[in-house]
Amino acid sequence: QVHLVESGGGVVQPGGSLRLSCAGSGFTFSRHGMHWVRQAPGKGLEWVAVISYDGRKEYYGASVKGRFNISRDNSKNTMYLQMNSLRAEDTAVYYCAKDNYDLGDYFDYWGQGTLVTVSS
Amino acid sequence: SYVLTQPPSVSVAPGQTARITCGGDNIGSESVHWYQQKPGQAPILVVYDDRDRPSGIPERFSGSNSGNTATLTISRVEAGDEADYYCEVWDTDSDLYVFGPGTKVTVL
Repeated sequence: QVHLVESGGGVVQPGGSLRLSCAGSGFTFSRHGMHWVRQAPGKGLEWVAVISYDGRKEYYGASVKGRFNISRDNSKNTMYLQMNSLRAEDTAVYYCAKDNYDLGDYFDYWGQGTLVTVSS
Repeated sequence: SYVLTQPPSVSVAPGQTARITCGGDNIGSESVHWYQQKPGQAPILVVYDDRDRPSGIPERFSGSNSGNTATLTISRVEAGDEADYYCEVWDTDSDLYVFGPGTKVTVL
């Protein structure tokens, strides 16, 4: 069965950097777009970024564009989110999610999330 | 950017029907997907492409989409359906994904 496991969360100071990872198994990782979605404490879901199946296309939400970078290594079945210039408002649980297709489709599987706390 | 609206909360008695709306400009021309999130858990997909259900999702969950409103309907509501529900679309104009603000369903 499909399994997505996020890692790399933790506490970081404002202005700092952090890299999240998402390891996928139980499906052909290299055939699907992959997303990051976040949820601030007590708030709703916010889409963060997506990367195409081959890594050639990337799209970002307005609140993270220019600060976050999404990438993937299909040889390792792993996706990454490099987060720079972190702000208090980036504090959230970060979920990785699998696209049913490549881009423009729904999120059919989700990981359990990793918590990022930006605080001094 | 595309904006989705949802009622903050819906309350329903067990065995009754809950209807959760998702509003957007001409949303009927988009494919709408719905996710259920229980406290402390990751979201799960309950309806995709307006009205289709993934395997394992009960037939009690159904969807529709027309005009400026998409609707998730939960029939014969059970206590286990208590959760937050989010609609989502892919904005083809911007290639960005948009979530609604979420609706908390309370089973009385």
